[in-house]
Amino acid sequence: AQTVTQSQPEMSVQEAETVTLSCTYDTSENNYYLFWYKQPPSRQMILVIRQEAYKQQNATENRFSVNFQKAAKSFSLKISDSQLGDTAMYFCASAPPSGAQKLVFGQGTRLTINP
Amino acid sequence: GAGVSQSPSNKVTEKGKDVELRCDPISGHTALYWYRQSLGQGLEFLIYFQGNSAPDKSGLPSDRFSAERTGGSVSTLTIQRTQQEDSAVYLCASSLWRGGQNTQYFGPGTRLTVL
Repeated sequence: AQTVTQSQPEMSVQEAETVTLSCTYDTSENNYYLFWYKQPPSRQMILVIRQEAYKQQNATENRFSVNFQKAAKSFSLKISDSQLGDTAMYFCASAPPSGAQKLVFGQGTRLTINP
Repeated sequence: GAGVSQSPSNKVTEKGKDVELRCDPISGHTALYWYRQSLGQGLEFLIYFQGNSAPDKSGLPSDRFSAERTGGSVSTLTIQRTQQEDSAVYLCASSLWRGGQNTQYFGPGTRLTVL
């Protein structure tokens, strides 16, 4: 079974700073998918970025990038030039390559961007 | 286009009552998922639909929980004889099943409070 661990319950940074959220996972699969979702107070889970385990290149989406270390089973999210709108809960998740591909989530990190 | 919608947004019910939660997936999405988000348990998978069938219902916590999907579209999650531990946010997600990685898009959730 897959497990996902986020060891930072809360983080707080100043606007325009760079922040990195940590995530580790465990799986017996050789290929799988990894995601970061953002959940603002509106409750809507929004996909931030996704990574396919067989791809060596780290995924990037504008100010968001990941550091994917497959051997270490680590998948951290870096947010550059943080903005007030980045304030939210961030969840790391994994999914197997087949079957239902149901998501397994970490516990979440509450990120606050201060003006 | 329209995203995943869920209704009601909030539901307050008395212990022992039955409730129905509705999910309208993104048009054309063949896969539909239900998750539960609670303080104690985090985000948990409940059930997965492919079309109108549910090949994976391994996350349903008890036989009080059931779900159906009709016309390959709308899904209803029913909780019978609600208990206080059923209080949570129920999230629905859909994806366009094309094989390979299937990104899930979430609705805003239904917050269920059982008094």
